Amino acid sequence: EVQLVQSGAEVKKPGESLKISCKGSGYSFISYWIGWVRQMPGKGLEWMGIIYPGNSDTRYSPSFQGQVTISADKSISTAYLQWSSLKASDTAMYYCARRMAVAGRPGDGSYWYFDLWGRGTLVTVSS
Amino acid sequence: DIQMTQSPSSLSASVGDRVTITCRASQSISSYLNWYQQKPGKAPNLLIYGASSLQSGVPSRFSGSGSGTDFTLTISSLQPEDFATYYCQQSYSSPRTFGQGTKVEIK
Repeated sequence: EVQLVQSGAEVKKPGESLKISCKGSGYSFISYWIGWVRQMPGKGLEWMGIIYPGNSDTRYSPSFQGQVTISADKSISTAYLQWSSLKASDTAMYYCARRMAVAGRPGDGSYWYFDLWGRGTLVTVSS
Repeated sequence: DIQMTQSPSSLSASVGDRVTITCRASQSISSYLNWYQQKPGKAPNLLIYGASSLQSGVPSRFSGSGSGTDFTLTISSLQPEDFATYYCQQSYSSPRTFGQGTKVEIK
């Protein structure tokens, strides 16, 4: 089965570090970009960044650059999202998702979209 | 960053209604526009990519249109399972921003 399996919920204190994971299976993990999306409680979706596990090429949203680190270990088909010092404002659900690309219409490049999502990892940061 | 603005933020509709949600980009994004559906406690699910291409397995009552800066998601006949929040996302440039969401509720 093609799926992304995320690590379980975490409860942390401000200032602590954290690394959550997203393991792909049923497809060639190294061939597709994996993105991370934040959803704060009761709020919308925010695109955080994306990594290509084949060579660890990584792109960040300016809003998250320097706040988190995205990495991947292709040998175990796993992508990671980590914080060195959590804040209460990091409390959110975090989703990983596979990015698919298909040829666009004449004049367009490829269309990119997230076609496969993990179930999410809930991170709660509270003193 | 490209800003994506959805309207309305919420709407109430009845089963069988035709529902239209609008998404506007702060600059032209050609057809680089996706639509997702999210139900409470669940991950988002892709409905439409490339502004109008229906993702495999998505019911044909969902359709997308538009190009440039203005886009529309239409549900031709609302079903009970369609009550959810809908998000647009631009894939034209990084960061690939989402709209703020439109919540479709039961009237």
